[in-house]
Formats: sequence, C-alpha cells, structure tokens
Amino acid sequence: NAGVTQTPKFQVLKTGQSMTLQCAQDMNHNSMYWYRQDPGMGLRLIYYSASEGTTDKGEVPNGYNVSRLNKREFSLRLESAAPSQTSVYFCAISESGSYNSPLHFGNGTRLTVT
Amino acid sequence: SQQGEEDPQALSIQEGENATMNCSYKTSINNLQWYRQNSGRGLVHLILIRSNEREKHSGRLRVTLDTSKKSSSLLITASRAADTASYFCATDTGRRALTFGSGTRLQVQP
Repeated sequence: NAGVTQTPKFQVLKTGQSMTLQCAQDMNHNSMYWYRQDPGMGLRLIYYSASEGTTDKGEVPNGYNVSRLNKREFSLRLESAAPSQTSVYFCAISESGSYNSPLHFGNGTRLTVT
Repeated sequence: SQQGEEDPQALSIQEGENATMNCSYKTSINNLQWYRQNSGRGLVHLILIRSNEREKHSGRLRVTLDTSKKSSSLLITASRAADTASYFCATDTGRRALTFGSGTRLQVQP
C-alpha cells in the first residue's frame, strides 16, 4: 500500500528473542497505529501515537513497546518474544486521529515465534 | 469482546450476483467505516458513513447505517471475481482508535 512501508515482511523468532518492527510513512499524517491480526479475532490495537512525541496503549499492549522516532517513523519492539505473539502486525496511519479520517495500512509483518 | 461483529463470517456467490454483509456494534459511534483486505495484503479503506447519515454510495458499493439498531450493511452489486476478499467494519467511538470486527470472507466464483 502506497504511503506506509513496513519492514521486515516476514520474521521467525525463537522464544525469548527480541526484535523491532519498523514502520515509515510518506503521507505526512499525524497519527500512527500498530494493530495485530489473528485468525477469527479481527484487528486489535496494540499501541498508537496521536502525534509526534506521544504514545498510548491500546487494547493489547502487554509484551510490546513503541517509539515514535519522528513524524515519519513508528516502531514496535518485542523485548522477549512469546509464541502468543505469533501474528500478522499492521502499521496504519491517519491524518488526524480516527474521527472522520480513514486509516491507511501497510502490507504487514508476518511474525512466527517458535 | 468485539465492538463490531460482521455477519455472515463467510459468503460464496456467483459472479454478477449481489453480496450483502452486515455489521452490528454495541456502543454509540461517531462514524463507521468499511475496509477490504485481499489475501496477504493490508486493509484498504472503502467507505466512511457518519452517525447522522443513513445511506452512502460509492461505485458498486452501498452502505446503510441504522443507529437505532446499531447496525450497518455493505452491499456490493454485480460482484466480480476481483471482489473476492475479506471485508471488515470498523467503528469510531471517539476513544483511542478504530475498533474492527472479525470480518466477512467473500468468495466470488467466476
């Protein structure tokens, strides 16, 4: 999806390993989000950043940390990966929060924790 | 529990037929949005309907919203094989960010 770039596309980790998922946007939007998608569960919000310099917890923040490095970049870190974190992770952006503003998504990072 | 729930979970139709998907939610909303997800890709925004609107059209898409019943429907007319995807409703309740349902998987047979 144009505008939101996620890296890496795929990753396999062993339990206890750490990694950082990267998200960068070129649409100059203020708000950035991390969601995870599991079969039958829809998308669940992990963390979000309403604007540069602010971050807030979402529905499922345990086991994750985030950094809004600048307006363009929002990273998600797993300090000690667990099999329950096997999922597809999506970064999304919006112009000014979700109110009347659609989300633009990246193509996701598929993470497997063994 | 999910704020939005789609129904049915899966739908299989022939090309040219209409497809209808429903979404129910629990709390009051500012707006409701529909997204499409092709296999292996991110979600793509289709249409946004505000809480004071009852119906909205975009090409072959028609969305209705009934706030008294806390429900919405997405109608795709004259479906095509390329419409095969998962469709999600998402609600904006003014808190945090959008809340997504678990989706409807649509299969359009050529």
